[in-house]
Amino acid sequence: SQKIEQNSEALNIQEGKTATLTCNYTNYSPAYLQWYRQDPGRGPVFLLLIRENEKEKRKERLKVTFDTTLKQSLFHITASQPADSATYLCALVSWNFNKFYFGSGTKLNVKP
Amino acid sequence: GAVVSQHPSWVICKSGTSVKIECRSLDFQATTMFWYRQFPKQSLMLMATSNEGSKATYEQGVEKDKFLINHASLTLSTLTVTSAHPEDSSFYICSARISGVVDTQYFGPGTRLTVL
Repeated sequence: SQKIEQNSEALNIQEGKTATLTCNYTNYSPAYLQWYRQDPGRGPVFLLLIRENEKEKRKERLKVTFDTTLKQSLFHITASQPADSATYLCALVSWNFNKFYFGSGTKLNVKP
Repeated sequence: GAVVSQHPSWVICKSGTSVKIECRSLDFQATTMFWYRQFPKQSLMLMATSNEGSKATYEQGVEKDKFLINHASLTLSTLTVTSAHPEDSSFYICSARISGVVDTQYFGPGTRLTVL
């Protein structure tokens, strides 16, 4: 079965720096990969989607890369702010958007 | 726009009782809704896909007789945990897709179920 690895340890960075989160996966070839933000006790909020044939996607301060050879996606937040502190989840998505496999998330702490 | 609500936000029940959780799309129609379960510090696990007007599709290992799903309208899906036991205690989250738009799901705020 598919296995998704996100750094289980929290990532602590200083405000203004770039945060980089990693999502590695095995035993699956997703057609899409999504990133979500989840705050404590809340449901995830969709951030970005990247297709298997796309190398990079940007949205404001967010950037996602997708390397299907390495089976890895990187999620970057530039000029990070304390308000960016949350848990970030990656999800592997099937071609028909009927299957979603989530990682356990990485907690990001941005210190002022 | 694209707001999904869940009710209740938390519930405590005795072992053996049944609990119903509602998932509503407030400002859009949702032909498809998804039900997930999330244990502490673990990933969301898809339990089932709920389609309006038809039977839900359950993921492998999820007991359909224990987790009853009803999607009777384009804005409401319900999950009933029957004969709940302490091991069913978890965070249950639903998501909904805008009818005709497949690439984005909007999540509800979740329901914390505690079975004593």
